[in-house]
Amino acid sequence: KQEVTQIPAALSVPEGENLVLNCSFTDSAIYNLQWFRQDPGKGLTSLLLIQSSQREQTSGRLNASLDKSSGRSTLYIAASQPGDSATYLCASRGADSWGKLQFGAGTQVVVTP
Amino acid sequence: DGGITQSPKYLFRKEGQNVTLSCEQNLNHDAMYWYRQDPGQGLRLIYYSQIVNDFQKGDIAEGYSVSREKKESFPLTVTSAQKNPTAFYLCASSMGPRGRDNEQFFGPGTRLTVL
Repeated sequence: KQEVTQIPAALSVPEGENLVLNCSFTDSAIYNLQWFRQDPGKGLTSLLLIQSSQREQTSGRLNASLDKSSGRSTLYIAASQPGDSATYLCASRGADSWGKLQFGAGTQVVVTP
Repeated sequence: DGGITQSPKYLFRKEGQNVTLSCEQNLNHDAMYWYRQDPGQGLRLIYYSQIVNDFQKGDIAEGYSVSREKKESFPLTVTSAQKNPTAFYLCASSMGPRGRDNEQFFGPGTRLTVL
């Protein structure tokens, strides 16, 4: 069974620093990996989706990489801002035909002014 | 605006009651999903539906039931058989279950508390 792990569980950085968030998974047979943002008490907002054939995906200040062979994905957020404070979750989609997502527990990020 | 709506935002249940959580989407998506989120844990799949009048159990379906009579609606009933229902419930949808770049979109969630 696929297991997805996010370490650390919490992270605090000063404004302006680059953020590096880690996601590891045990089964490399994935179709894609999706990164989400969750604000307290809210639903999930999709940030980036990387297909298994891709090495990275970029959107604005966000860049996500995928290394299937090592079972790792990394989300980079450049020049962090207080508005980036949130919980970030990664989820892998397995080889199942119907697209089940397996979630990590998330990394809670605080960006201090 | 296209999106997913969930209601109510907050729901309180007494012991022994069944309650139903609403999920509606106007994205014309075929697939819909229900997840449960507990503090400090990742989301866990309760039920999913690939198409109208069809649904499948996820990892934690015991004590829950669903229906999919319309493409845009996928209500979740939390029955009295669910022993620990207090949690944050999230509904999601995607264009379809197949396709390598299938992306899931989420609603705002319903927080259920047992009194």
